[in-house]
Amino acid sequence: GAGVSQSPRYKVAKRGQDVALRCDPISGHVSLFWYQQALGQGPEFLTYFQNEAQLDKSGLPSDRFFAERPEGSVSTLKIQRTQQEDSAVYLCASSLALGQVISQPQHFGDGTRLSIL
Amino acid sequence: AQSVAQPEDQVNVAEGNPLTVKCTYSVSGNPYLFWYVQYPNRGLQFLLKYITGDNLVKGSYGFEAEFNKSQTSFHLKKPSALVSDSALYFCAVRDMTLSGGYNKLIFGAGTRLAVHP
Repeated sequence: GAGVSQSPRYKVAKRGQDVALRCDPISGHVSLFWYQQALGQGPEFLTYFQNEAQLDKSGLPSDRFFAERPEGSVSTLKIQRTQQEDSAVYLCASSLALGQVISQPQHFGDGTRLSIL
Repeated sequence: AQSVAQPEDQVNVAEGNPLTVKCTYSVSGNPYLFWYVQYPNRGLQFLLKYITGDNLVKGSYGFEAEFNKSQTSFHLKKPSALVSDSALYFCAVRDMTLSGGYNKLIFGAGTRLAVHP
């Protein structure tokens, strides 16, 4: 398909386990964003990549959260030593434009619903 | 600080009636505003954006939004609601601060729209 693809769609993990969430952006999209959406809330920014460079990670809640995009396409969000408060939907979005072209919308994937037991 | 407020948790409207979903914003400088819709267990779908120009913006699925600078509002509207419009609607503003940079979105908490037959 032509959209942003995220996997897995659902992930259940025990507290303390590490998890990895994958995002396949739309082909050719330079910008990639990760958001966290808690139940009943709007998405909150986690981190931003321009190609392979992570230019903004100000939204990552702790050093247990790590994101990478080594070849400028697929991205992985990793959470180490998961806690119950990490339970949320993690959304990935991509955009065609570089950061300076502010008019381009972000296109979102369907998200990964993470549940920590 | 830049922010978005959606004052209504839920909006109920009868099918065929006009609908309005409210959004107010607080930004420094010119706002860049977006509306997204989210269906259950899906990611966010882009509806429309305001960057500059006409205050009435037309978007997907018959939706439109009116930008009002003096009232700092960007309300979403549709002349005739459909049952299939029932979903969660998010207003968002582009974070244009230096620290925000790179165009991350700041979302409101969302408004659930329920259209009754």
